[in-house]
Amino acid sequence: ELKVEQNPLFLSMQEGKNYTIYCNYSTTSDRLYWYRQDPGKSLESLFVLLSNGAVKQEGRLMASLDTKARLSTLHITAAVHDLSATYFCAVDVGNSGYSTLTFGKGTMLLVSP
Amino acid sequence: NAGVMQNPRHLVRRRGQEARLRCSPMKGHSHVYWYRQLPEEGLKFMVYLQKENIIDESGMPKERFSAEFPKEGPSILRIQQVVRGDSAAYFCASSPMGYNEQFFGPGTRLTVL
Repeated sequence: ELKVEQNPLFLSMQEGKNYTIYCNYSTTSDRLYWYRQDPGKSLESLFVLLSNGAVKQEGRLMASLDTKARLSTLHITAAVHDLSATYFCAVDVGNSGYSTLTFGKGTMLLVSP
Repeated sequence: NAGVMQNPRHLVRRRGQEARLRCSPMKGHSHVYWYRQLPEEGLKFMVYLQKENIIDESGMPKERFSAEFPKEGPSILRIQQVVRGDSAAYFCASSPMGYNEQFFGPGTRLTVL
């Protein structure tokens, strides 16, 4: 059974600081997603990482994928309050010819002044 | 182009009643996925459907839960004789093909009294 582990599960940061969220997974995959979820809302797609070494950046967020280490990171640069949300990684095994997403438990990020 | 639509957004049922959750995929999408999110947890895959076919129901509880995606109309997730443990947010996602990025709907929050 595929396991996806995120850490930390809760992160309290001050504005302006940097931090990294880690996503480890237990089986081979070359497709990984990061999502953002605000309280009571749906999932907003942030990044789609499709190959080993993939790096994508949007604003203060940067995501990377190392398929050999089975590790993805979401790096936050100079955090601002608007980034407060829960962030999920999801691994897509897709070995049956269709997408099957397995999610981590999420990292709740709280950015305070 | 409207996104994935789900209704109702909130549903309250008493124990023993039936719950019907509807999902209309994005235009041009014929693949639908259902996920359940318990409080403080990530999303868990329940079932994957194409038009008129259930492709993978490995995440569905064996009893009381069923899903369909008819030729016409929305996909339906049906929960019979609901229990308190069914209280959760249920998300639907759609994709244009099987192994493609999934786009999520706003979710239905089910509360069982």
